[in-house]
Amino acid sequence: DGGITQSPKYLFRKEGQNVTLSCEQNLNHDAMYWYRQDPGQGLRLIYYSQIVNDFQKGDIAEGYSVSREKKESFPLTVTSAQKNPTAFYLCASSSRGTGNSPLHFGNGTRLTVT
Amino acid sequence: GQQLNQSPQSMFIQEGEDVSMNCTSSSIFNTWLWYKQDPGEGPVLLIALYKAGELTSNGRLTAQFGITRKDSFLNISASIPSDVGIYFCAGQFLGEAYKYIFGTGTRLKVLA
Repeated sequence: DGGITQSPKYLFRKEGQNVTLSCEQNLNHDAMYWYRQDPGQGLRLIYYSQIVNDFQKGDIAEGYSVSREKKESFPLTVTSAQKNPTAFYLCASSSRGTGNSPLHFGNGTRLTVT
Repeated sequence: GQQLNQSPQSMFIQEGEDVSMNCTSSSIFNTWLWYKQDPGEGPVLLIALYKAGELTSNGRLTAQFGITRKDSFLNISASIPSDVGIYFCAGQFLGEAYKYIFGTGTRLKVLA
C-alpha cells in the first residue's frame, strides 16, 4: 500500500542537540511538506518542497532545516536554535501542489525536548 | 499565521445523532479539504471539494463547498462511537497551490 512513513513515532532529546525526523513516501508525489501541530492551533507550515533539490520556507522555518535529495524523502532537522521544539510534527505530500491535489499525511513524530 | 474559523470547537453527542460542523474564512479558496485525526495519529483525508457549490459524500459523511468559496461544512449522519476524534478543515488558496490553511479542529465525542 502506498503511503507516507514517518519515523520514529516518539523522539526524546536534550536541549541543545540537533535531531532529524525522517519522512519517506511511496506515492510518487512531487510535493512534500512539514507541519508542526500544537494543542489548540491549526497546523503550521515549516518547509515545503515542490521538486528534488528545491525547497521553500514556510511560516515558521526558523530553527529548522530540510533537504530533498530524493523524490521519496524529505527529512527535517530540528536544530538547537529552535526555541520551543517540543511538538507533534507531521509530514505530508501532494501530487503536484496544484489544484485537485489534496494533502496526504504521515502518522507523525512526537518530539519532546527536555 | 492565517487560520480558518472552525466551529464548534467541541461537541458531545449521543450515538445515532447527526453532527454538523463548519469552517469560514475571509479569503477565497480553490479547494476545501476535510480530515479526521485520532489521538497521536496523522490526519486522514475524508473528503476533498474542488468546485463552489459541490456537495460530496463519503459513506455517512457529506461535505459542501460554499457558493462564496469562503466556507464549507461537514455533516456526519447517524454517529457511531468510532466517529470520535478531531475533525478539521483545510483550504487551499486560489493561485497559491502549495499554501494550505487549517482550521483549529472540532473535537467530537460520541456517547454510547
